[in-house]
Amino acid sequence: TQLLEQSPQFLSIQEGENLTVYCNSSSVFSSLQWYRQEPGEGPVLLVTVVTGGEVKKLKRLTFQFGDARKDSSLHITAAQPGDTGLYLCAGDSWGKLQFGAGTQVVVTP
Amino acid sequence: NAGVTQTPKFQVLKTGQSMTLQCAQDMNHNSMYWYRQDPGMGLRLIYYSASEGTTDKGEVPNGYNVSRLNKREFSLRLESAAPSQTSVYFCASSHLRLDSYYNEQFFGPGTRLTVL
Repeated sequence: TQLLEQSPQFLSIQEGENLTVYCNSSSVFSSLQWYRQEPGEGPVLLVTVVTGGEVKKLKRLTFQFGDARKDSSLHITAAQPGDTGLYLCAGDSWGKLQFGAGTQVVVTP
Repeated sequence: NAGVTQTPKFQVLKTGQSMTLQCAQDMNHNSMYWYRQDPGMGLRLIYYSASEGTTDKGEVPNGYNVSRLNKREFSLRLESAAPSQTSVYFCASSHLRLDSYYNEQFFGPGTRLTVL
């Protein structure tokens, strides 16, 4: 059972465009994490959001946690080829993570 | 500082064969995890060890066993491999604190397993 739904599944854009990835759940998590995974490697943590309504920025990446702590979004401004990867959201439940299926982002020059 | 290491990187098994996937971390983390990743499914937790000496089932434990050998090492064993166990397996570790929301997990590079 997939508790976290990510959309879209796949996103292909040109360098310089903006994109948004969504992560939705019917469950409330104590925190939500976003990871990026590149081919042949394990996921790497980008950010953890904890408080409902929280917004965190990491250079060109903006992460938002919904007021009810059930959904989150990742917005990338002026995407670059280096942003290409699989973006995974994960809800934290007492240290155990529930992962979404991921959004594959491809940024072409 | 190697982080989380996994061996082997690739493995091909025949149905019914057994094997052990090895994982080690050098970050002095208390908790370790085994996941499998299948297309369109994200990562699913197989087993985890919250601390040395304890192990617990995750979402998909059937067909697997684990051993937390010491604080550094956590192995995953397939006793009788099946084609449904073809997947990419990731080990992760974290310094789990139940009074903290910031439980970052560090992942190894993965083992790509094919069962024929």
